[in-house]
Amino acid sequence: AQSVTQPDIHITVSEGASLELRCNYSYGATPYLFWYVQSPGQGLQLLLKYFSGDTLVQGIKGFEAEFKRSQSSFNLRKPSVHWSDAAEYFCAVGARHTGNQFYFGTGTSLTVIP
Amino acid sequence: NAGVTQTPKFRVLKTGQSMTLLCAQDMNHEYMYWYRQDPGMGLRLIHYSVGEGTTAKGEVPDGYNVSRLKKQNFLLGLESAAPSQTSVYFCASSPPGVIYEQYFGPGTRLTVT
Repeated sequence: AQSVTQPDIHITVSEGASLELRCNYSYGATPYLFWYVQSPGQGLQLLLKYFSGDTLVQGIKGFEAEFKRSQSSFNLRKPSVHWSDAAEYFCAVGARHTGNQFYFGTGTSLTVIP
Repeated sequence: NAGVTQTPKFRVLKTGQSMTLLCAQDMNHEYMYWYRQDPGMGLRLIHYSVGEGTTAKGEVPDGYNVSRLKKQNFLLGLESAAPSQTSVYFCASSPPGVIYEQYFGPGTRLTVT
């Protein structure tokens, strides 16, 4: 069965520090992986996605993620966090059967301190 | 393009009342989805549709019904609301095919008292 685990419920970082949000997935085939961001009171916005090819993918707002098949991971990174990055981050895996269902992790809440 | 819109944005219901949430998209997407978001549980799929006139159950379908009479609209109904249905509901749409991301609406916050 498909599943996504985000081990960190909440992370606090200082502005300007680097960031890594963890995501582990369980899927029987090559996964399609996504990271979304949700600002308070807003819908979800796509940060980046991985389908195939280069395992390091670049996204919007300076984010990147690396797919590691051996570790079943798709961790999100940013070299220098800005206060505006404070939000909830969700990792998702897309399943290859009818309807392209997404399975979301429980999310990681990011707080940025000045 | 407005993208994905949801109506209403907020709603308070009493236990046992019914209501319908409307999702509309102007991107000509084939696939549409309804999720609920609860603290600590991420997003869970309620129902989805792969085309006009078709619907299917997701992970948590009980207590909800859906209809997709027009390609651009996807309705979520609560026949008899319960406090356990207090949640934030998100609609999403996507083109067909696994390589596409889902586009999300702004959400509807529903409280059932």
